[in-house]
Amino acid sequence: QLQLQESGPGLVKPSETLSLTCTVSGGSIRSNSYYWGWIRQPPGKGLEWIGSIYYSGSTYSNPSLKSRVTISVDTAKNQFFLKLSSVTAADTAVYYCAGGTIFGVVTPNGWFDPWGQGTLVTVSS
Amino acid sequence: DIVMTQSPDSLAVSLGERATINCKSSQSVLYSSNNKNYVAWYQQKAGQPPKLLICWASTRESGVPDRFSGSGSGTDFTLTISSLQAEDVAVYYCQQYYSTPITFGQGTRLEIK
Repeated sequence: QLQLQESGPGLVKPSETLSLTCTVSGGSIRSNSYYWGWIRQPPGKGLEWIGSIYYSGSTYSNPSLKSRVTISVDTAKNQFFLKLSSVTAADTAVYYCAGGTIFGVVTPNGWFDPWGQGTLVTVSS
Repeated sequence: DIVMTQSPDSLAVSLGERATINCKSSQSVLYSSNNKNYVAWYQQKAGQPPKLLICWASTRESGVPDRFSGSGSGTDFTLTISSLQAEDVAVYYCQQYYSTPITFGQGTRLEIK
């Protein structure tokens, strides 16, 4: 079955760029059933959608983060990526990648299943 | 942005009793062309990612026990656990996928009384 796994540095310095990779296994990232998403969760807090990408490269991002967020995809490697620039302590969170279900029209408007296990990224000098 | 507000923030229920979690959206998430409510519910246990329980406000995901049910329409939604089991201790989130940005409720922590 479809599985997702996040990877990347667990510690990033303030003002630098956070970079994460999500590797999709058990299926193709070129599936027309999924928009691939990034969601984060600060310690002890709730879930925040960061953005989503279709395998064609079409992206949607949360306006609250949009100017700092870059999401990209490498279909040959079955991976998609997150870059978040100019990070501060407020960006410390568990970052999840997830499959966003597409139904009908190809938009990111769907529920998320499956999820990766998540990776904790701490922003600190 | 559509704001999803859950109530209560935390809830303690005895084993075998009913647990009810509410979720209110700041605008309707009922899409008139297909008469579907664009709401999902998730369960998150400690140290784990969220697990999808329900989509379309009331459609239970495959493998989810039938003690979990979702209801509601428009702006008001409810997740009900008919008979609480020990393994249901978790934080529960609602999510709207009617429009971007996709948004989640703040979560409801469910404990055993």
